[in-house]
Amino acid sequence: EVQLVQSGAEVKKPGESLTISCQGSGYSFTSYWISWVRQMPGKGLEWMGRIDPRDSYTDFSPSFQGHVTISVDKSISTAYLNWAALKASDTAMYYCARLIKAGDYGDTFDYWGQGTLVTVSP
Amino acid sequence: DIQMTQSPSTLSASVGDRVTITCRASQNIITWLAWYQQKPGKAPKLLIYKASNLESGVPSRFSGSGSGTEFTLTISSLQPDDFATYYCQQYNSYLLTFGGGTKVEIK
Repeated sequence: EVQLVQSGAEVKKPGESLTISCQGSGYSFTSYWISWVRQMPGKGLEWMGRIDPRDSYTDFSPSFQGHVTISVDKSISTAYLNWAALKASDTAMYYCARLIKAGDYGDTFDYWGQGTLVTVSP
Repeated sequence: DIQMTQSPSTLSASVGDRVTITCRASQNIITWLAWYQQKPGKAPKLLIYKASNLESGVPSRFSGSGSGTEFTLTISSLQPDDFATYYCQQYNSYLLTFGGGTKVEIK
């Protein structure tokens, strides 16, 4: 069974750094790109960026470029989302999702993590 | 970026109703459009890909249509399990974007 399991909720202060994780299982981790998607409280979905686990190539939405980094550790089938300096406006639920990237599915998402709630408050 | 605009933002309907949600793209995305369903506290679920292809396991009361810049998601007979928020997503551009969402509420 394909699963993406994310790390637990975090409470941080502005300016602090944070890394959250997403571990894949039940499939060949390097065969599928992983994306991160933000959902602010009561709001819609925002695509942040994606990574190819084979070579760690990344690209980002302009809205998030330079504010977060995405990385992987292939040896433990885990993707990461990192902030060097959090802002209060980073308070949101963050989902990792697997990109199908095949045929007519293209860059659609078939499996999602359960979400990691990040709260940034003074 | 390609902007995706959904309408309405909220829709009130009754069980058995036919429901239509519209998604408009700011430029031609051909048929590279997906629809997702999200229930409160849950991750989104893929319903439709390439504008009109039903994902495996999704009930046939869901259908998608459209091309270019205008797309629709239709639920032919709304069921209690369908009260949720629906999002479109374009994947014509390498910069992926979602619509703002349509919440389907009980009337």
